[in-house]
Amino acid sequence: GQNIDQPTEMTATEGAIVQINCTYQTSGFNGLFWYQQHAGEAPTFLSYNVLDGLEEKGRFSSFLSRSKGYSYLLLKELQMKDSASYLCAVRDSGAGSYQLTFGKGTKLSVIP
Amino acid sequence: GAGVSQSPRYKVAKRGQDVALRCDPISGHVSLFWYQQALGQGPEFLTYFQNEAQLDKSGLPSDRFFAERPEGSVSTLKIQRTQQEDSAVYLCASSQRGGDMELFFGSGTQLSVL
Repeated sequence: GQNIDQPTEMTATEGAIVQINCTYQTSGFNGLFWYQQHAGEAPTFLSYNVLDGLEEKGRFSSFLSRSKGYSYLLLKELQMKDSASYLCAVRDSGAGSYQLTFGKGTKLSVIP
Repeated sequence: GAGVSQSPRYKVAKRGQDVALRCDPISGHVSLFWYQQALGQGPEFLTYFQNEAQLDKSGLPSDRFFAERPEGSVSTLKIQRTQQEDSAVYLCASSQRGGDMELFFGSGTQLSVL
């Protein structure tokens, strides 16, 4: 089975940097994903890590340590539109099993 | 279409009614997933299709839940004899292949069972 933990809520100031942590305990591992979900909307893909290290994509970066079962999403130069829930998800390594197990999400509020 | 389309956007059902939720995936996407998202929670996996084959239905909570994708494109999630605990947003997602990095989600159907 999978167990994924992330903070419930965070608040940060416009223009600042925020780091959202995610820890996981899984029976198998085939990638860690971050999705952004605005209230009432579909989740949208942000990043994918399968190897240890940092993946950078514009203002967003994601880090993975498989040995520690740990990931974080780093958001730089925060904008008001970044207020959303951020979902950490892990894919199992079972053959033919492509399902994602999601954490409960971190609701980020960006304030002026 | 340009994205994953789900209908209806909102559905109110009386307890005990049957409901059918529709998903139109992105054209050509082989893989299709259904997820259930309760208020304030992350999405939870229900079932997975590769073309018309239902390869994983381990997340369906009871035998009242049934999903199909008969021609490998449009999918329907049916819930029989709805209960209040079925109230949630039902999300559909598709990808070109099951192992793809990116899932494309629809906006979901918000089901309220009274």
